[in-house]
Amino acid sequence: SFVLTQPPSVSVAPGETAIIPCGRDSIGATSVHWYQQKPGQAPVLVIYYNFDRPSGIPERFSGSNSGNTATLTISRVEAGDAADYYCQVWDNDDDHPVFGGGTKLTVL
Amino acid sequence: QVTLKESGPALVKHKQTLTLTCSFSGFSLSTSGMRLAWIRQPPGKALEWLARIDWDDEKVYNTSVRTRLTISKDTSKNQVVLTLTNMDPVDTGTYYCARIPPDSSGWVDLWGRGILVTVSS
Repeated sequence: SFVLTQPPSVSVAPGETAIIPCGRDSIGATSVHWYQQKPGQAPVLVIYYNFDRPSGIPERFSGSNSGNTATLTISRVEAGDAADYYCQVWDNDDDHPVFGGGTKLTVL
Repeated sequence: QVTLKESGPALVKHKQTLTLTCSFSGFSLSTSGMRLAWIRQPPGKALEWLARIDWDDEKVYNTSVRTRLTISKDTSKNQVVLTLTNMDPVDTGTYYCARIPPDSSGWVDLWGRGILVTVSS
């Protein structure tokens, strides 16, 4: 299998923009999905197919994917956005999901 | 209402077998393209996929624990069962049941609340 690389932590002030990268060679050729996980809770899908949002997810959450990096962007960050964020792709060779190591978003 | 719920023991001993059940409602695992997976998360660590079972009974396992895992389904009861043999303290973590919808590129659109399993040495 392969590894999806995420920074362990990202910090941002309220109202600012948080950018969380997910890296892998040629990740732009695949579909990337993003999950938000708050302490003690199950993950929640926030972005699928690189940039689509499930119903109920605020427009402040957006995604992009090109080259070797996929990115989750959270605009106008709020205190409630503090959480761990995981990227995920499908390993077509072994036919299973692969998760990144997760990024802890701290709202200062 | 579409839900997933994990059940099983909260504590198992070293070398014992863990059996977890995922009970679901609001959808059918017989629907073409539907998949259910087990994903675990050690305390403070990342998500790790373990196994999945598909509507057509195809089963795929994480190669790192392949020899210890078995996944099965009972469509009539709307349940999926995971067994993990020879439990070790490193297997301690929260185990999630997760749905992968049809016609997707493999995202999880529904998670159970998870069950914390602790392995005593």
